[in-house]
Amino acid sequence: KAGVTQTPRYLIKTRGQQVTLSCSPISGHRSVSWYQQTPGQGLQFLFEYFSETQRNKGNFPGRFSGRQFSNSRSEMNVSTLELGDSALYLCASRTSGGQETQYFGPGTRLLVL
Amino acid sequence: AQSVTQPDIHITVSEGASLELRCNYSYGATPYLFWYVQSPGQGLQLLLKYFSGDTLVQGIKGFEAEFKRSQSSFNLRKPSVHWSDAAEYFCAGPMMNRDDKIIFGKGTRLHILP
Repeated sequence: KAGVTQTPRYLIKTRGQQVTLSCSPISGHRSVSWYQQTPGQGLQFLFEYFSETQRNKGNFPGRFSGRQFSNSRSEMNVSTLELGDSALYLCASRTSGGQETQYFGPGTRLLVL
Repeated sequence: AQSVTQPDIHITVSEGASLELRCNYSYGATPYLFWYVQSPGQGLQLLLKYFSGDTLVQGIKGFEAEFKRSQSSFNLRKPSVHWSDAAEYFCAGPMMNRDDKIIFGKGTRLHILP
């Protein structure tokens, strides 16, 4: 089975712009979670989608949003980018939830100038 | 409240030496716990996981971890490290009172001396 894929791998944006990141989960996985990773804050949970519905949400401002499509692919959007949004954004998928293992993609490195 | 903690931010060991990375958890019931490894610029790769049963868990790349309820720990071990083991290691487990949400420790960066 192919692993979790994320596109693009690298992205440079300027403050005030918006960005959309994409994640394709492992085939058969219906849960997709997003994380932000920075040197100072570590891995922080953004949100989780399951069957096109947001199931869990972390403590991020409303500028961060996401959605999931019927084929389980997920996108996350960040509007009005700030310098502090520069980070590695990781997507993880699992079959459903609870105690199941999450499998991670390689991440999208976002740099905001 | 943070339910998974990794007390060591950096660990340095010599190649060929043994390794133990610490992870402590706070959770009422028996938790499920994971160890992941992240190489620079990469995503996280699962090393091993514990759900129940045998408290000594074997993983990939020669790693193992032992769940100790009495110490609330799930430490990662390897008898002899290789230079390629230099990476960041994350322990993960359920959030307190929310076992459908996984929380990650802050990570331990492992440095290997030649």
